[in-house]
Amino acid sequence: NAGVTQTPKFQVLKTGQSMTLQCAQDMNHEYMSWYRQDPGMGLRLIHYSVGAGITDQGEVPNGYNVSRSTTEDFPLRLLSAAPSQTSVYFCASTPGQGIYGYTFGSGTRLTVV
Amino acid sequence: QQQVKQSPQSLIVQKGGISIINCAYENTAFDYFPWYQQFPGKGPALLIAIRPDVSEKKEGRFTISFNKSAKQFSLHIMDSQPGDSATYFCAGTYSGYSTLTFGKGTMLLVSP
Repeated sequence: NAGVTQTPKFQVLKTGQSMTLQCAQDMNHEYMSWYRQDPGMGLRLIHYSVGAGITDQGEVPNGYNVSRSTTEDFPLRLLSAAPSQTSVYFCASTPGQGIYGYTFGSGTRLTVV
Repeated sequence: QQQVKQSPQSLIVQKGGISIINCAYENTAFDYFPWYQQFPGKGPALLIAIRPDVSEKKEGRFTISFNKSAKQFSLHIMDSQPGDSATYFCAGTYSGYSTLTFGKGTMLLVSP
């Protein structure tokens, strides 16, 4: 099925652990983004990419790293998890700048204890 | 910082009623305003979108009204149904930009 696939769906981490949230899309979209969703805060942009090899920071980038080696994949890395990173994470992709709709994955619910 | 302010935070509407969600934006460069619908446990999905060269766009029971001078836009859901119960996000962006700026969301509950 065409779309954005995120893995895992659920994850519990201990403070200080590291992990990578996976995101893959099969629509040949150039633009990909990571958002976090917290109650009452809406969707906040973490990092985004406008193509393979090109990434940039969003509104809340601290504590997260990204890379984009292929058009299809855009993993999000937590180097040293903190309780403040407990959230639901969404990956999204779009074929072009701004005026096209974004396709979102189904999310990863992360709990840091 | 670019902002999109959304209200109300939550909304309860009776079946068959009209649901209205309002958004205001600050960045006058924005030229694309989508609305996303999110069901529990799912990712947001594009519902309807508008460009500022029109004042209204209608798709089925969903209508966006746009007021460029006031920098405001709203989503109207006519004949609201229990299946419309979801969280709705407004957003803004512009043609030369690659990401969306979202409002904080409105949780809509349509009572049977």
